[in-house]
Amino acid sequence: DQQVKQNSPSLSVQEGRISILNCDYTNSMFDYFLWYKKYPAEGPTFLISISSIKDKNEDGRFTVFLNKSAKHLSLHIVPSQPGDSAVYFCAARVQGGSEKLVFGKGTKLTVNP
Amino acid sequence: GAVVSQHPSWVICKSGTSVKIECRSLDFQATTMFWYRQFPKQSLMLMATSNEGSKATYEQGVEKDKFLINHASLTLSTLTVTSAHPEDSSFYICSARDWGRRDNSPLHFGNGTRLTVT
Repeated sequence: DQQVKQNSPSLSVQEGRISILNCDYTNSMFDYFLWYKKYPAEGPTFLISISSIKDKNEDGRFTVFLNKSAKHLSLHIVPSQPGDSAVYFCAARVQGGSEKLVFGKGTKLTVNP
Repeated sequence: GAVVSQHPSWVICKSGTSVKIECRSLDFQATTMFWYRQFPKQSLMLMATSNEGSKATYEQGVEKDKFLINHASLTLSTLTVTSAHPEDSSFYICSARDWGRRDNSPLHFGNGTRLTVT
């Protein structure tokens, strides 16, 4: 049972445009959400996070939106750059302070020059 | 910033042999480390939680006798894949959090170990 779902395995955008990566979840006990970026043969690198009590968090070109009623979050990258090309994982943490994360399958983003 | 170092980055071994993977927190102490595994085109799946000075906690379906975890110090956790088989071939990644920080800092990941069992 996939508790965190990233339904788009890949996304391609033009440089300078907006990239929108989506993530859906089923477990209402998740209280914290994170986005990680991963290059081939490397471990994931933390990008941005959001607490379940917020609906938006922004850090430079990256913004994460959370819609709790829809159990949906999205990552916006504006403007997209070729260096953003990577696999992006959505992850969620179960309420209670545990550091265990549940990951989605990832979305491969390609930003074309 | 916090760094997690994992070694080796890749290893090829013969079926039936054992392989040890090390995970170190370089500039912080980690009482808890996490071991994940990723099969191709799949998500990272938590295998076990490594606890310094005590037994590891394994996720459902993960054989504790096959995946031996030792967390002997605050900066080192090891995962040993015993009697490896080709189906154990995967990308193994460890992670840790800097508990010394007061903010809600995220898990930091090592660069992973690509295990290929022939």
